[in-house]
Amino acid sequence: EAQVTQNPRYLITVTGKKLTVTCSQNMNHEYMSWYRQDPGLGLRQIYYSMNVEVTDKGDVPEGYKVSRKEKRNFPLILESPSPNQTSLYFCASSPGQGAGTGELFFGEGSRLTVL
Amino acid sequence: RKEVEQDPGPFNVPEGATVAFNCTYSNSASQSFFWYRQDCRKEPKLLMSVYSSGNEDGRFTAQLNRASQYISLLIRDSKLSDSATYLCVVNLLKTSYDKVIFGPGTSLSVIP
Repeated sequence: EAQVTQNPRYLITVTGKKLTVTCSQNMNHEYMSWYRQDPGLGLRQIYYSMNVEVTDKGDVPEGYKVSRKEKRNFPLILESPSPNQTSLYFCASSPGQGAGTGELFFGEGSRLTVL
Repeated sequence: RKEVEQDPGPFNVPEGATVAFNCTYSNSASQSFFWYRQDCRKEPKLLMSVYSSGNEDGRFTAQLNRASQYISLLIRDSKLSDSATYLCVVNLLKTSYDKVIFGPGTSLSVIP
């Protein structure tokens, strides 16, 4: 089954404790992206990747890191989480070089709470 | 001004009603347009693309007005299962990639 898989789905952590949210897609998509969704603000892009070893900042990259060592995986790293990073996170992938050229396929989301 | 704006609602409509959502975008260089649907606490999923000539998919009709920079979604004969948040999505074609911008969403509740 074609899918985007995120883990963990739910996480409660404390300020400053490094964490990684994994994202994996099995559709051989070139484009992958991370979003956060907050009430009233909609989906905001954190980072995106056009292909292996090619990543770039989205609209709200502060406090996050990503890597794209393999085509299928695009982990999101919070080196020192803070309470303002409490949010619902979505990973997405799309065929082609840009998300606008095709459908975005989303993972089920990871709800993160930072105390 | 936000790049993509939508009326947040909520829209509460009875089953069988027709409901229309509007979305405005600020960048005239926007290239392509989509409507996504998001159920409560679930991931967004593509509902339909929006073409310049307008397009229809069953009970759903999408329209684009480039001159006025707005997109609309019409749902006819509303079903309970249509209850969801509808996200307007606009794509800007940059030099080497596409920038996808999501609206904040419009919430729809279809009531028995």
